[in-house]
Amino acid sequence: SQQGEEDPQALSIQEGENATMNCSYKTSINNLQWYRQNSGRGLVHLILIRSNEREKHSGRLRVTLDTSKKSSSLLITASRAADTASYFCATVPSGYSTLTFGKGTMLLVSP
Amino acid sequence: KAGVTQTPRYLIKTRGQQVTLSCSPISGHRSVSWYQQTPGQGLQFLFEYFSETQRNKGNFPGRFSGRQFSNSRSEMNVSTLELGDSALYLCASSLVAGEGQPQHFGDGTRLSIL
Repeated sequence: SQQGEEDPQALSIQEGENATMNCSYKTSINNLQWYRQNSGRGLVHLILIRSNEREKHSGRLRVTLDTSKKSSSLLITASRAADTASYFCATVPSGYSTLTFGKGTMLLVSP
Repeated sequence: KAGVTQTPRYLIKTRGQQVTLSCSPISGHRSVSWYQQTPGQGLQFLFEYFSETQRNKGNFPGRFSGRQFSNSRSEMNVSTLELGDSALYLCASSLVAGEGQPQHFGDGTRLSIL
């Protein structure tokens, strides 16, 4: 069963705009990860945030984690057409060691 | 460093047949995990192998099996194929098993069942 649920399911923006995707999960976690998947390709790991961290940055990516609300957000600043992809959050529930993925947010960035 | 390699990229089979998919992890990575991706169910964990031992198994029927070789390469086998087995099968590797390690994915094998 899905642990994480991304919101929105789909997002369409213009180049240069910011894109925000949210992830909610159900149980306590060890860490939360975000992945990107381009059409027909495998997933690419973007960023990992541990349960004791609240915010993390990597280039144009900013991830926040609120364990009290069991939610995370991924912000992509100054989006580019090349950011067009599906984005997944994946959690490692406490007591487990394997990743559980959400169903993803499809992001379309138009030139 | 070469990435995770999955072969073949595409497969077409008929119901009742069996299929073997192959995965070569990144050099030095000893953990290999398999996932099934479908539009309806999303990404679902199949199994995880480390040092030739299955460490974890997802909620799939016994028709789905796998193994890992001493060089860390892994194969998964699906017997008595059903239409619902049509999916993208993804392999991922990491240096060590567990602890929620970031996964490095291959581009998958797209399996179509006719």
